[in-house]
Amino acid sequence: EAGVAQSPRYKIIEKRQSVAFWCNPISGHATLYWYQQILGQGPKLLIQFQNNGVVDDSQLPKDRFSAERLKGVDSTLKIQPAKLEDSAVYLCASSGGEQFFGPGTRLTVL
Amino acid sequence: KQEVTQIPAALSVPEGENLVLNCSFTDSAIYNLQWFRQDPGKGLTSLLLIQSSQREQTSGRLNASLDKSSGRSTLYIAASQPGDSATYLCAVRGNYGQNFVFGPGTRLSVLP
Repeated sequence: EAGVAQSPRYKIIEKRQSVAFWCNPISGHATLYWYQQILGQGPKLLIQFQNNGVVDDSQLPKDRFSAERLKGVDSTLKIQPAKLEDSAVYLCASSGGEQFFGPGTRLTVL
Repeated sequence: KQEVTQIPAALSVPEGENLVLNCSFTDSAIYNLQWFRQDPGKGLTSLLLIQSSQREQTSGRLNASLDKSSGRSTLYIAASQPGDSATYLCAVRGNYGQNFVFGPGTRLSVLP
């Protein structure tokens, strides 16, 4: 069974630039999550989708972050414009009960 | 609001020791609890999932227990090996909605 795929694996940008991350969940998983993990901390939920609908985006900084899950499969997370404090690993996970994580995208904002 | 803590923050043990990692949560109305392992620069690997109706789960040298009423879970690692060195995180899923709340993790080093 293929796991959760994410791209890119690494991204370096300057502050105020835009960036987008892509996630392909495990086939058949209706629930998809985006997390932000800052070095030394546990992952923090940014947004949760159930199929193509948003279940929880209470911790998503909506002035600069956006996410979509068109057709209820793949998802993209966008940051526009990026700030220095957005430097983190962005993890995508999918769930059919148990969570499975992708390898993450390490973002560095200079 | 659910809060999850993990003690200790870091642990260093010699190879072969048995060890216990602790996870505490403030709201006992949970759906399940999941333990993960994270290697440096990598994503999270699921180790064990305990449903709220269960008291423990075992996989190989790992045993996780759950005491909902006291808001605690422990991860027991038997006969530790250098390959067990990683950060171990617990995550709690609430009954009201499906979101997970993570603890900060315990960084484990097993010395050969």
